[in-house]
Amino acid sequence: DVKVTQSSRYLVKRTGEKVFLECVQDMDHENMFWYRQDPGLGLRLIYFSYDVKMKEKGDIPEGYSVSREKKERFSLILESASTNQTSMYLCASKRDGIGTGELFFGEGSRLTVL
Amino acid sequence: GEDVEQSLFLSVREGDSSVINCTYTDSSSTYLYWYKQEPGAGLQLLTYIFSNMDMKQDQRLTVLLNKKDKHLSLRIADTQTGDSAIYFCAEVSGGSYIPTFGRGTSLIVHP
Repeated sequence: DVKVTQSSRYLVKRTGEKVFLECVQDMDHENMFWYRQDPGLGLRLIYFSYDVKMKEKGDIPEGYSVSREKKERFSLILESASTNQTSMYLCASKRDGIGTGELFFGEGSRLTVL
Repeated sequence: GEDVEQSLFLSVREGDSSVINCTYTDSSSTYLYWYKQEPGAGLQLLTYIFSNMDMKQDQRLTVLLNKKDKHLSLRIADTQTGDSAIYFCAEVSGGSYIPTFGRGTSLIVHP
């Protein structure tokens, strides 16, 4: 059974703290994504990666960075958390090449910044 | 950029049919998707349709695609309380492998 695992389901952090959100996939997928989900705004792409050590900005990269040192792991980093980064964060992965293009999602990490 | 639009809420009675609508702007869309998100969970692919198809049926689900109007719909027959979730429409075009998502439609099923 394919799996995308996000290490923390719920986090509470204080303004200014550094936050790491970890995501691991066991499907040997080349592509990995970080989205944030807010009510009424749907999913917004923060960053994505199409290979190890490669990263591309999505639609809302400000205030975030990412790291992909190994194929199976994609980390989202908030260098200095702010209250407007309180949100649900979703990681996803996708195979390269011909296919339906399906994204496989983790269960989400709900971050609250106080 | 390309856009995918869907209404935010739909309320139906248990046993009725639900129809969730979506419009998109990218005329080069190759695949169109419906994802389902249950409370407290991530998204899961429900069904998809290739752009050269008009309709796809899978048990209680029927997907209709009108390429001329760039309109996609998902019909759920005999809607159950377990169908209560957020449904996301998404599309991917030949020029990009990154899907564009709509804002999601919250389906509320009343007993």
